[in-house]
Formats: sequence, structure tokens, C-alpha cells
Amino acid sequence: QVQLQESGPGLVKPSQTLSLSCTVSGGSISSGSYSWSWIRQPAGKGLQWIGRVYTSGTPNYNPSLKSRATISVDRSNNHLSLKLSSVTAADTAVYYCAREAYGSGTYGRGLNWFDPWGQGTLVTVSS
Amino acid sequence: SSELTQDPAVSVALGQTVRLTCQGDSLRHYYASWYQQRPGQAPVLVFYGEKNRPSGIPDRFSASSSGNTSYLTITGAQAEDEAEYSCNSRDNSGNRLDVLFGGGTKLTVL
Repeated sequence: QVQLQESGPGLVKPSQTLSLSCTVSGGSISSGSYSWSWIRQPAGKGLQWIGRVYTSGTPNYNPSLKSRATISVDRSNNHLSLKLSSVTAADTAVYYCAREAYGSGTYGRGLNWFDPWGQGTLVTVSS
Repeated sequence: SSELTQDPAVSVALGQTVRLTCQGDSLRHYYASWYQQRPGQAPVLVFYGEKNRPSGIPDRFSASSSGNTSYLTITGAQAEDEAEYSCNSRDNSGNRLDVLFGGGTKLTVL
């Protein structure tokens, strides 16, 4: 089955750019009607969606990140990337990548879900 | 408003039934999906939509909805069900957020 694995530096200095990669194994990142998301979770807090990239390469972002996020997909190497610029301590969190799927139910009521998830990687922003 | 609200903490006696709630305007238009997260681990999808339980998830997990509220029910809670449960849905508020997560409910099995 499809598995995801995040990787990247665990410590980033304030004002610098956080860069993470997510490797997809067990299946092609281009197959099926999926998109690929980054989600983060500060310690003791809830999940926050950062954004997604479709296999076409088109991204969508959480507007609260004020255009600091860039998500891209590398279909040839089966991975996706996250860059988050001008980081502060508030960006300290566990970062997850996850596959997003879509569907609909009764009366066309929409649905999305995230499965599977990577194990997550802790990024600390500190000087 | 573009948010999903969950009770911060709920407890249930071993073997009893518990219903977790997720409330928000988006749930009038979109189904919720539910995730279980044990300490130090990644979230795991336990239910999505009206009737979809992923392979490997026990059938004691079920979901329903009414109006702007979605529910995850655990019938006969087990000790291993103690975890944080989060919900998500799409966002229809026009704020372009697109994906909402609730703040999570910490479930304690007594």
C-alpha cells in the first residue's frame, strides 16, 4: 500500500526558509484522483492544513500563511515538497504529508479525507 | 464561520458507548472525516462520509450527522480507543480556506 515519509532539517533559524520533502512509496504519486497535502500540528494543538498540490502541479494554500508556503510535486521522483519562508517560532510544529481523496454522498454532498499520512517530522524554529 | 468545533475532552467507561461531536456550518454542505491520533503518532483515518470505515478499523466505530453537527460513535469503547479524535471537512464559507480541521477531542477510557 502507499506509504509516505517526510524528511528535512529538524531545526531552522528564524527568518529562514523551512524545506521539507515527502517521499511516496508503494504507488505512483500521479495515479488516481488524489491530491497531496501538507498539514502541521504545533505541540498540544490541533491540525492545521497548510496546502495541497494536485498531480498537475497546481497548488492551493491556506490563506492564513500569507503566501509564505510553496508546495510542489516531482512526479519523476515520486515526491512532494514544502517550502515555508520567513519562519518564526510560531511555525514550530510536527509537519505531516498526506494523500487527500474526494467523494460525494447523498444529494451530492461533498467529502474529502486524508489517508494515508506520513509519520510526521518535528521542525523547531529557533536561533 | 469557517471553523469546526469539538469538545476538548470526553471520557467513557470501558465497554460503554460514547459519541464525539464536530460542529460547524460547513457540515451542512460537506461530510466530516474522522481521525484517531495516539500520543506521538500520526493521525489515522477511522471514518469518512456517511458509511465509510477504512479497512482494519473495528466496526465499533460509526458516524452520523444532523444539521451542522457530525458525530463519531464508539460502541463498546476499548482501552485502545483512548486517543485524540479530530474531524475535518471542506470549507464552503468562501474564505478560500478549503480544508477545515476541528481542534480535537481527547478521549479517556476509564
